[in-house]
Amino acid sequence: QQQVKQSPQSLIVQKGGISIINCAYENTAFDYFPWYQQFPGKGPALLIAIRPDVSEKKEGRFTISFNKSAKQFSLHIMDSQPGDSATYFCAARGTGAGSYQLTFGKGTKLSVIP
Amino acid sequence: DTAVSQTPKYLVTQMGNDKSIKCEQNLGHDTMYWYKQDSKKFLKIMFSYNNKELIINETVPNRFSPKSPDKAHLNLHINSLELGDSAVYFCASSQVGGSSDTQYFGPGTRLTVL
Repeated sequence: QQQVKQSPQSLIVQKGGISIINCAYENTAFDYFPWYQQFPGKGPALLIAIRPDVSEKKEGRFTISFNKSAKQFSLHIMDSQPGDSATYFCAARGTGAGSYQLTFGKGTKLSVIP
Repeated sequence: DTAVSQTPKYLVTQMGNDKSIKCEQNLGHDTMYWYKQDSKKFLKIMFSYNNKELIINETVPNRFSPKSPDKAHLNLHINSLELGDSAVYFCASSQVGGSSDTQYFGPGTRLTVL
């Protein structure tokens, strides 16, 4: 069964600190790993994504670290700001029939306090 | 211009009723999706549909049915509504096989079944 396990469920970080959210997957056929950000009352929006042929991708303050052998990937938010307070979802895309479907982790609610 | 739009934004109805949620995308994408987000924020794929195939998540009751009048629309029909159907429903779209794998989400429809 395809699963993506995400932790922690919630995270409180001081402004300026580093937020780290971790995900682990089981299906080695997954070939695309996006992170989505969701603000209250809004739909999720793509934040950053990585493919398994690279170990790290950085966009501004957001970095994905990817460990293919461990089947784990994580999101790092540097210099966290109160505006980063949102729910973050990791996801993975499979292969085969319906491969474009995403399997989402259960989400991490991030609160950045001033 | 809204890329993915849904109507209505809020829907309150009685148990046993039949209701529909409409979704439209103006991105020219070939694939559309419906997700259910429960009170714990867990995002679960219900359907994915393009002009070639309909993928139905096996856990979705057959009271739920997607209907696509054309490539830009994927409506969700729900028959005999139950209390457990209360959730936020998100429509999304993407271009399968395109240069970007991004799924674009609509703003969501909050369904409350009384």
